[in-house]
This record gives sequence, C-alpha cells and structure tokens, in this order.
Amino acid sequence: SQKIEQNSEALNIQEGKTATLTCNYTNYSPAYLQWYRQDPGRGPVFLLLIRENEKEKRKERLKVTFDTTLKQSLFHITASQPADSATYLCARVNNAGNMLTFGGGTRLMVKP
Amino acid sequence: DGGITQSPKYLFRKEGQNVTLSCEQNLNHDAMYWYRQDPGQGLRLIYYSQIVNDFQKGDIAEGYSVSREKKESFPLTVTSAQKNPTAFYLCASVRDTSNQPQHFGDGTRLSIL
Repeated sequence: SQKIEQNSEALNIQEGKTATLTCNYTNYSPAYLQWYRQDPGRGPVFLLLIRENEKEKRKERLKVTFDTTLKQSLFHITASQPADSATYLCARVNNAGNMLTFGGGTRLMVKP
Repeated sequence: DGGITQSPKYLFRKEGQNVTLSCEQNLNHDAMYWYRQDPGQGLRLIYYSQIVNDFQKGDIAEGYSVSREKKESFPLTVTSAQKNPTAFYLCASVRDTSNQPQHFGDGTRLSIL
C-alpha cells in the first residue's frame, strides 16, 4: 500500500522563524502531492500542490519542495506568525488522480 | 458563496441506531468524498462518488453506507454495524478527478450516548 507519513509530534517555534514540516512517502513517487491546513474543529483547506517534476513551489510565505530521491516533501513557512498555528496535512494523489491518501498531520504552534 | 455544508455539527447515536450525516455542495463539483478523522490522526477514506448514482468503497467502508441521487448531495449513513463510530466526519468535493484540490466542509462530530 502507498503510505504517507508526517511527524506526529507538535512543532513549536518562535514568531518570525521559519517552520519546516516533513512529509515522507513509500514505494513509487506520486505524480502530485498536496498540502492542506486544518484548524481545530474545521475541515482542511487546500494550500499548495506540487508535481513530481517540480522541485519547488512557492506561494507568498509558503514554500514546498519535492525530492523524489529522498521520497520526501518539505513544507516551509517563512516569517511565521501565531496565526499560522494549525495542523498541516500532506496528501499523495493516486495514479488515476481521483483519490488522496493523507498523512497524519503535524501540529504547528507559533509562539509570540 | 459556493461551498460545502455539512449538518449537523454535532450528532449523538444510541446503541443499535443508524444515523445519517448530510453533505450538500453548490460548487457544481462532480466528485464527492467522505472521510473519517480520529483524534490526532489523518483522514481515512470511507466512500467516494465520481458521478451521480455511482459510488465506490474507500479503505474503511464497513459499517457505512452512502447514496448519490443528486449531484449536490452525498449523505452518509453510519449503521449499527459500525462498532466504533465516534469520530469527526468530513465531506469533500472536487470539480473533477484530475488532481484538483479537494474542498471540505466543516465536519460532523459523532459521539455515542
């Protein structure tokens, strides 16, 4: 089965620092990886999608990388703010493009 | 505004009872999904539907049933056969199935009385 794993321990950082979250996958590289943000008691909200042939994708203070050699995606938030505190989920897209497999999510806490 | 509406926000089930969770979308999306989320865990796929009157089982379909009679609606029934139904249930939709991001509702929290 195609697994996708995220660090289950919460990440605590100071405001203004860069947060880096890790997503590792097994077996073959997915054609796409997606990243979502989830606040407590709410549904996930889509943030970024990165394709297998893209090394890096940016959106404002967010950056995602995709390393098919390491079978890993990194999600960075630069100049982090307390409002960035949430759980971040990565998901791999299946070959047919119609299903997502989610990692367990990593909770980020940004302290002022 | 377009979006996905899940209701109720909170639901309680008695032993031996079936309960139905509602999911409605006005985004004109073709595909809809139901996920279950347990505390501190990721989302697990229960059922999905790519077109009206058709749906497929996900990874954890046992004890659940769905219908897709209208494009806008994809209700989930948690049957009495589901012995551990306490969880946060999330519904999602996507325009089509070509790697598009999914749009989620705000979930229904189901608990056992």
